[in-house]
Amino acid sequence: EVQLVQSGAEVKKPGESLKISCKGSGYSFTSYWIGWVRQMPGKGLEWMGIIYPGDSDTRYSPSFQGQVTISADKSISTAYLQWSSLKASDTAMYYCARLPGERVGAFDIWGQGTMVTVSS
Amino acid sequence: SYVLTQPPSVSVAPGQTARITCGGNNIGSKSVHWYQQKPGQAPVLVVYDDSDRPSGIPERFSGSNSGNTATLTISRVEAGDEADYYCQVWDSSSDRVFGGGTKLTVL
Repeated sequence: EVQLVQSGAEVKKPGESLKISCKGSGYSFTSYWIGWVRQMPGKGLEWMGIIYPGDSDTRYSPSFQGQVTISADKSISTAYLQWSSLKASDTAMYYCARLPGERVGAFDIWGQGTMVTVSS
Repeated sequence: SYVLTQPPSVSVAPGQTARITCGGNNIGSKSVHWYQQKPGQAPVLVVYDDSDRPSGIPERFSGSNSGNTATLTISRVEAGDEADYYCQVWDSSSDRVFGGGTKLTVL
């Protein structure tokens, strides 16, 4: 079964760092892009960026460039999303999703989501 | 930047046909994908490349795209179709873009 399994919910304080993960299985992890999507409470979906685990080529949405870092470790079929200094406004559900191409295709497989809560 | 516009809400009685639109400048020249998101769940792809369905998605779900409007059509609507629906495209200036989402209510 093709699936993406994300790490569990996190509760952090402003200023703390965080790295969440997304592990792929059931397919060739290095042959597809992985994207990250934010959903703030009660709001819609926002594309954050994508990475090609085969060579770690990465693209960021202008809205998130410099705010987060996307990375991958192909040896363990895992992609990551990280923050160096969290803000309360980073409170949201974060989804990873599989993408067949850099400029084409839909997010066809989604992770279950990781809820990140940032509160003092 | 490229903007996709969806109606905030659509209501339909069970057994009827729901049509959810996604407006964008010359969207007919792009490939449109549609996602269904039920409360507390991750999104699920229901239509890709304007009108193709992933395996496991009922034939009741169909899509079309022309001019400045793409449409997701759900025939013979069931209570279980109640969800938020999002359109999405790739654009050369904005990369990946999602519409604001439409809440489908089954009366």
